[in-house]
Amino acid sequence: GAVVSQHPSRVICKSGTSVKIECRSLDFQATTMFWYRQFPKQSLMLMATSNEGSKATYEQGVEKDKFLINHASLTLSTLTVTSAHPEDSSFYICSAGGGGETQYFGPGTRLLVL
Amino acid sequence: DAKTTQPPSMDCAEGRAANLPCNHSTISGNEYVYWYRQIHSQGPQYIIHGLKNNETNEMASLIITEDRKSSTLILPHATLRDTAVYYCIVRSQGGSEKLVFGKGMKLTVNP
Repeated sequence: GAVVSQHPSRVICKSGTSVKIECRSLDFQATTMFWYRQFPKQSLMLMATSNEGSKATYEQGVEKDKFLINHASLTLSTLTVTSAHPEDSSFYICSAGGGGETQYFGPGTRLLVL
Repeated sequence: DAKTTQPPSMDCAEGRAANLPCNHSTISGNEYVYWYRQIHSQGPQYIIHGLKNNETNEMASLIITEDRKSSTLILPHATLRDTAVYYCIVRSQGGSEKLVFGKGMKLTVNP
C-alpha cells in the first residue's frame, strides 16, 4: 500500500505555544488529506478535510482558528495547533487519499502539552 | 455517526481463523465496506474493501452478504501480531470521501 509519514512522531510543548505537525504522502499524490484526533481508549474523530490549494473543511465543534491546516502541495499537509493547552494533548493522525478508493494513514503524532 | 455495528471484543486462538462480523443494515447502493485495523499507538492500517463481491488479498478475505447488510472479515491464520482494534466502515466511493470511525472491535489473539 501507499506510504504516509508524519513528523514529528512525538512532541512535548508548553501551554500557550504552537505546534506544527506535518503529513506527507511519500509515493503518491494526495488531492485530499484528513486529520483525526484520538483520545485514550477512544476511537478516531475526524477533525477536518484538507484539499490541496483550497481551504480546509472542519467538522462541527472543531475550531478552525485553533487548528490551522495548510495543504500547499499534493504531498504535504500541515496541522498547526495554536496556543496549545493541556486538553489538546492527544494522538493526531492524518490520512491521505489520491485518485483511488483507499485512504492510507500516517503513524500518528503524540502531542503532550504541559 | 458510524453506520456499522460490531461486537466490542473477540478472542481467537493463534493459528485459527478469526471471523470478524459487522452489521451495516443501512448501507447505500454506492457505499463500499472498508476494514482497517489499529495496533496500539499506531495509525490505522488498511486491510481490505469491497462493494458486493467477496474479496481476498494477502491479508484477509471479505465476505459480504447478498443483501449487503452485513459482512465478515476473515483472517485465515491469526497470529499474535493480529491483535488490534478492527474497524468496519461504510463509505462512498472515492479517495476524497471521509471515513467515519465507530468504536471498532478489539481482537485478541491468544497463544
